[in-house]
Amino acid sequence: GAGVSQSPSNKVTEKGKDVELRCDPISGHTALYWYRQSLGQGLEFLIYFQGNSAPDKSGLPSDRFSAERTGGSVSTLTIQRTQQEDSAVYLCASSLGGTSGFWETQYFGPGTRLLVL
Amino acid sequence: AQSVAQPEDQVNVAEGNPLTVKCTYSVSGNPYLFWYVQYPNRGLQFLLKYITGDNLVKGSYGFEAEFNKSQTSFHLKKPSALVSDSALYFCAVRDMEDTGRRALTFGSGTRLQVQP
Repeated sequence: GAGVSQSPSNKVTEKGKDVELRCDPISGHTALYWYRQSLGQGLEFLIYFQGNSAPDKSGLPSDRFSAERTGGSVSTLTIQRTQQEDSAVYLCASSLGGTSGFWETQYFGPGTRLLVL
Repeated sequence: AQSVAQPEDQVNVAEGNPLTVKCTYSVSGNPYLFWYVQYPNRGLQFLLKYITGDNLVKGSYGFEAEFNKSQTSFHLKKPSALVSDSALYFCAVRDMEDTGRRALTFGSGTRLQVQP
């Protein structure tokens, strides 16, 4: 079946521009996560959505980063006024959500590779 | 707070030999533990997880991991390595007691290189 999809797969932008990254979770998954993987680093949590609940934004590194999830499905991560240190691979994951959320498996998309010049 | 350590940046092993990729964790309560693999220019693929019960967990592609509570470890193992196992491996943890946090905490990753 269809997995998590992300677009674009690659994005090159100039410092100071805004970018939008898109994530389509697996159908029926109510939980959605954004992570960032910087060169030579592990994965860093950014934000988590669960159904219609208020998102957990505790991982967003600055107020230039924001995300929304429309209709409980597709999510968009927006980075305003991009900086060179924002260059990374941005990974989206989804999971079933619900009461078993703490041990359920997260399924990852292929990521968006962002390069800020 | 929860954390994961993968002490080896890279592990080299000959094809056909057993492999071990190490992971230790720190949580306040009891852990849920996961292993993921990342092939070049791909997202993370789930390998296996420990929730409770049997300390030896079997997963995809012949991998297994052993949960050791006294040593706070969750090492990934495979009896016979394949060249195709060469990839980046991530260990991750979620603290069962931290009900406010659903995200996983990942280690820094270990690159496995299997030589023919």
